[in-house]
Amino acid sequence: GQQLNQSPQSMFIQEGEDVSMNCTSSSIFNTWLWYKQDPGEGPVLLIALYKAGELTSNGRLTAQFGITRKDSFLNISASIPSDVGIYFCAGRPLTGANSKLTFGKGITLSVRP
Amino acid sequence: DTEVTQTPKHLVMGMTNKKSLKCEQHMGHRAMYWYKQKAKKPPELMFVYSYEKLSINESVPSRFSPECPNSSLLNLHLHALQPEDSALYLCASSQLISPEQYFGPGTRLTVT
Repeated sequence: GQQLNQSPQSMFIQEGEDVSMNCTSSSIFNTWLWYKQDPGEGPVLLIALYKAGELTSNGRLTAQFGITRKDSFLNISASIPSDVGIYFCAGRPLTGANSKLTFGKGITLSVRP
Repeated sequence: DTEVTQTPKHLVMGMTNKKSLKCEQHMGHRAMYWYKQKAKKPPELMFVYSYEKLSINESVPSRFSPECPNSSLLNLHLHALQPEDSALYLCASSQLISPEQYFGPGTRLTVT
C-alpha cells in the first residue's frame, strides 16, 4: 500500500529559527494535509493542499504541494516554544472513492528557548 | 461550532469490563471515523461511517463494536479488551467527500 516517508524522526531547533520538514511518497497523492499533535491531544489540521505546485500559508506556517504530486513540504518560520509537538503529513491517493488518509510516521519537533 | 468532543478523557478498564467511548460533532459532517493511536505512532484507522452507515471496517477485532446513533454521535463499545488495546482512541469527522478530517482530543484507554 501507499506509504508516506517523514524523516528525521526528531528535530531540535533554537527558538526563532526557521525549520522545514518534508513528506515523500513513491506514489501520487491528490491531496496533502499537515497536522500537529500536542501531547495527550488529538491532531489539529494546519494546512490542506489540493493542487500540484500550490503554496499555502497559515500564519508562520507555509506548505507546498510538490509538482510531482509525490511530496509536500512544511516550513515554520521564527519558531516559538509552542511549536513543540509532532507534525504528521497525510495524503489521499489519486485513486479510490473513499476518504481514507495515509499518515506519515511524524516528526517530533523540539524548540530550545 | 468547529469542535469534535470525546468522553471520557481517560478510561481504565479490566479485561472483563464493558465500556463505551463517545464522540460528538455539530459541524454537519456526514462522515465520522474511529482511529487508534499508540505512543509516538500515527493514527491507525479502525472504522468509517458515512451517512450513519458503516462503510469501512479495517479488520478490527469484534471486541470493538462501533455504533452511529445519529449524524452527530459516534460510539465505540468495548468488551473483553486485552492489555495491548491500551492506546489513545481518536474520533474524527469530515464532510463526506472532503479529505479534511477534524479530530477530537481522544480518550486515553488503559486496559489492566
